[in-house]
Amino acid sequence: GEDVEQSLFLSVREGDSSVINCTYTDSSSTYLYWYKQEPGAGLQLLTYIFSNMDMKQDQRLTVLLNKKDKHLSLRIADTQTGDSAIYFCAELRGSQGNLIFGKGTKLSVKP
Amino acid sequence: NAGVTQTPKFQVLKTGQSMTLQCAQDMNHNSMYWYRQDPGMGLRLIYYSASEGTTDKGEVPNGYNVSRLNKREFSLRLESAAPSQTSVYFCASSGGTSGRAGDTQYFGPGTRLTVL
Repeated sequence: GEDVEQSLFLSVREGDSSVINCTYTDSSSTYLYWYKQEPGAGLQLLTYIFSNMDMKQDQRLTVLLNKKDKHLSLRIADTQTGDSAIYFCAELRGSQGNLIFGKGTKLSVKP
Repeated sequence: NAGVTQTPKFQVLKTGQSMTLQCAQDMNHNSMYWYRQDPGMGLRLIYYSASEGTTDKGEVPNGYNVSRLNKREFSLRLESAAPSQTSVYFCASSGGTSGRAGDTQYFGPGTRLTVL
């Protein structure tokens, strides 16, 4: 299909790890991104990974890329209530460099 | 740096009215974008501008026009608003050369538009 797919909801307990999954479509996409959107706010870039990498770690965030399966995941270690937000996966597609977004995964963190 | 700024933050229009959404960036970026965000639909690209003086249609351009006034500013105009254009509109900018980390897009806070 043409869409970037994400599950819509994820609920975890504070202190647990969260894993948000994404399936993208274009094997030639060069960059894949994770954005965070808090209620009533714009999108904040969390991290990105270049397509020739398998993993990228940035403090509590770990991005895993399986290029063969076109699968991207974002792991948040020691999830906090402040991590509650919608997380968008996006792929950089085409010569114009357009971002194609998933529909977003709403992460709820319970105390 | 303020990053990407948008005005207004909220707007209510009646069907058939026109308005212009303003966007400005102070990061000296080449490329600018307009998206709309609807519940359950993610973000969809309306128009983009790869450089000053150029604009191109995105996924959902119908009912909109854009102007890249200069390198800093990119406006989105609704000539005759329709209820289907009720949405949250985001402007973004990026360094602009495809396929590089400099293409990371930075987003404004959004404009919440309601068309009655």
